[in-house]
Amino acid sequence: EDKVVQSPLSLVVHEGDTVTLNCSYEVTNFRSLLWYKQEKKAPTFLFMLTSSGIEKKSGRLSSILDKKELFSILNITATQTGDSAIYLCAVQPSGTYKYIFGTGTRLKVLA
Amino acid sequence: GAVVSQHPSWVICKSGTSVKIECRSLDFQATTMFWYRQFPKQSLMLMATSNEGSKATYEQGVEKDKFLINHASLTLSTLTVTSAHPEDSSFYICSAPRQGDTEAFFGQGTRLTVV
Repeated sequence: EDKVVQSPLSLVVHEGDTVTLNCSYEVTNFRSLLWYKQEKKAPTFLFMLTSSGIEKKSGRLSSILDKKELFSILNITATQTGDSAIYLCAVQPSGTYKYIFGTGTRLKVLA
Repeated sequence: GAVVSQHPSWVICKSGTSVKIECRSLDFQATTMFWYRQFPKQSLMLMATSNEGSKATYEQGVEKDKFLINHASLTLSTLTVTSAHPEDSSFYICSAPRQGDTEAFFGQGTRLTVV
């Protein structure tokens, strides 16, 4: 059965800290792994990863995929209170646009 | 960019009534759309795949007679929660892929509260 597991489930840090969120997966015929940020409503797209070892960066956020070990990490440096959200990892099997979501990591950044 | 619009963004209904949620692809055609459900403090769970012109494909454990899906046109899929009960209260969200794009686009979501 395809599954995606995220850790930690929740995390509380102070502004300025760096956090690393983890996502491991088991899926038949992997196509891509995606990271989303969810605040009150719909998830906001962050990254899509398809190849191992290539870091994607956007400002203070970065992510990398390891297809051999079947995991990805999302790093956030110099965290701000606005980073407080649920971070979702999803895997897309090949041949479909449906996503298998992980449990999410609830991040709270304190001022 | 591509936009998927979902309506309503929130709805409150009485137990036993039915509620219809719409998902529209605004500037592209979507032969397939996906419906997810998210309970409080939980992740998104795929409910069903909506296929234009044919029956929806439901995930295991999702009652097709309770969650009616209609994909009558290339830009519109609807999810009707029939005979709603308080346990159906949840956040429902749709997504639609656009041909040529690598990721699917999400609607804004609908928060359903059944009282």
